[in-house]
Amino acid sequence: DIQMTQSPSSLSASVGDRVTITCRASQSINTYLNWYQQKPGKAPRLLIYAPSSLQSGVPSRFSGTGSETDFTLTIASLQPEDFATYYCQQSYSTPYTFGQGTKLEIK
Amino acid sequence: QVQLQESGPGLVKPSGTLSLTCAVSGGSISSRNWWNWVRQPPGKGLEWIGEIYHSGSTNYNPSLKSRVTISVDKSKNQLSLKLSSVTAADTAVYYCARDGGSSSDGMDVWGQGTTVTVSS
Repeated sequence: DIQMTQSPSSLSASVGDRVTITCRASQSINTYLNWYQQKPGKAPRLLIYAPSSLQSGVPSRFSGTGSETDFTLTIASLQPEDFATYYCQQSYSTPYTFGQGTKLEIK
Repeated sequence: QVQLQESGPGLVKPSGTLSLTCAVSGGSISSRNWWNWVRQPPGKGLEWIGEIYHSGSTNYNPSLKSRVTISVDKSKNQLSLKLSSVTAADTAVYYCARDGGSSSDGMDVWGQGTTVTVSS
């Protein structure tokens, strides 16, 4: 299985901050990397796929980069609704695997 | 737009079989998408269970493969999950989700999830 490792596991930030979350794959996954946002009690929401394409309806303050094994999710200017848990996921090969999550909290 | 709705028993006895369905509305299960099951134990991360195409082709997580069956019912426009020999470790929120059309597209539509507790 391909292991996905996110860092940090948790992060405290303020409204207006620029935040970056990283995701590393245990082997090359080309650009088959997706990012999800999950709020408590809700299903995950696809934010970014492939790994820099913004899903329809997602604000442009979200962006993604990377290839092979190293990827980043950036939120340009945090808004109150962005405080949530973020997961990366590889769709290069089955079994598809997720990172352990990054919990973004209000400072 | 496509919507997904999971349903099934919220409580399953240990050693029993967990059975869930996911109803697809606003679109066809015979579209060019793979349909996935993903679960999330309480307070933990996401685990991919498996996927199915409308042709019946499946891929399963090897960690669950011996216990999992995913099927599709085109007449009812729904997919199903069966997980046998369950234990407390199978307690989780179970989600169905649609792949965006290719493996590079991510899972773009999710159900709201259904909570399954394994307990006697």
